[in-house]
This record gives sequence, C-alpha cells and structure tokens, in this order.
Amino acid sequence: SQQGEEDPQALSIQEGENATMNCSYKTSINNLQWYRQNSGRGLVHLILIRSNEREKHSGRLRVTLDTSKKSSSLLITASRAADTASYFCAIYSNSGYALNFGKGTSLLVTP
Amino acid sequence: DVKVTQSSRYLVKRTGEKVFLECVQDMDHENMFWYRQDPGLGLRLIYFSYDVKMKEKGDIPEGYSVSREKKERFSLILESASTNQTSMYLCASSLYRGIEGELFFGEGSRLTVL
Repeated sequence: SQQGEEDPQALSIQEGENATMNCSYKTSINNLQWYRQNSGRGLVHLILIRSNEREKHSGRLRVTLDTSKKSSSLLITASRAADTASYFCAIYSNSGYALNFGKGTSLLVTP
Repeated sequence: DVKVTQSSRYLVKRTGEKVFLECVQDMDHENMFWYRQDPGLGLRLIYFSYDVKMKEKGDIPEGYSVSREKKERFSLILESASTNQTSMYLCASSLYRGIEGELFFGEGSRLTVL
C-alpha cells in the first residue's frame, strides 16, 4: 500500500491560532486529497490538489503540494473549537487503483 | 444532498456468525469502496467496485467478500466473523475514478465480534 504519512500525530492549539498538518508520501501521485473526520463519524472531503498544482485555497483552508519533496501541508487559519477532528491525507498514486489514506492527525482546538 | 447510507451504525456479533454490512448511495456513482479503520492503522481498503457485478480486492481482502448486484448497493460480507474483525467499517462512493475521485463516505458501522 502507498500510504501518506501525517505529521504530527496529535496537535493541540487554542482558538484563533493557525493549525498546520503535514503529509509525506513515497510514490508518484496523480492527486492528493485531505479529509476530516469528527469523532465516531464518516470522513468528509475537504480539498483535492492535483500533481501539477502547488497551492489551493478553500475558505480558511490552504493546501500546498511539493512533488519534489513528496509532501503536502494543510493549514487551517483562525482555528475554531468546531475544527476539532482528525485530518487525513489520501493519495491517488499513478500506479494505484484507489485512494490510500494515512493514519491521520488528531487536532484539538480549545476555546 | 449527496448521501451514502450504511444500514447499521453499531453491531455486536459472535465469532463464527455470518455478517452483512449494507451500503447504499443515492448519487448514481459508478465506484464504491469498503474500508476498515483501526486505531494506529488508519483506513485500509478491503474491496472496491467500479461497476455492477464487478469487484476488486483491495489491500486486506482476506476474510471478506462483497456483492454488487445493483449500482446503488455495495455489501460487505464476513463469512465467519472473527474477533480480529472488530473494527469500524466505512463505505464510500465516487463519481469519477482517479484524478477527480473525491470520495463520499457513510457514517460508518462499528462492528464488535465477541
């Protein structure tokens, strides 16, 4: 399996601060996606970035992709308590047949 | 709104029982997937299907089978449940394969095998 690997495993910040999560991978990718999972629930798609893109924005989310370093980062600006969740990167490799997910970063945002 | 529905949120079964996990999507998606999620291991792909009556093994198919008789329904079957199959099972669907393949997930089925 060609998983992405998130870093850090856990992150604790206060409301209003920015949260940055990183994802590293080892293979050539077609696209990389970020998902969010609230405790005990299913995953929700946040953003997709293609291999020929370097940066994408969606509301308070900013995703960067560096294919030379095989890494991506997810930045959540001005965090809110409601952002508390686990965040997963998922890669669709050039030789893959489905999305492969990492183990996730657990984000805690305290009021 | 897009919807993927998993029939049971919580199930408790005994070792050796046959277990059916049902998943239905209302988006006319071609592609459907079953993942299991375990602490420290993330999501792992069990089986997937790109068309009706078609199925492909994922990374951990052992002990599982699937059925896709209709486009909207993708069932995961545990022929003889074992305790190591205690897990959260997540069904997902997508319209496109690959470059535009955003997944839509159900709420999950938490299975406990005693």
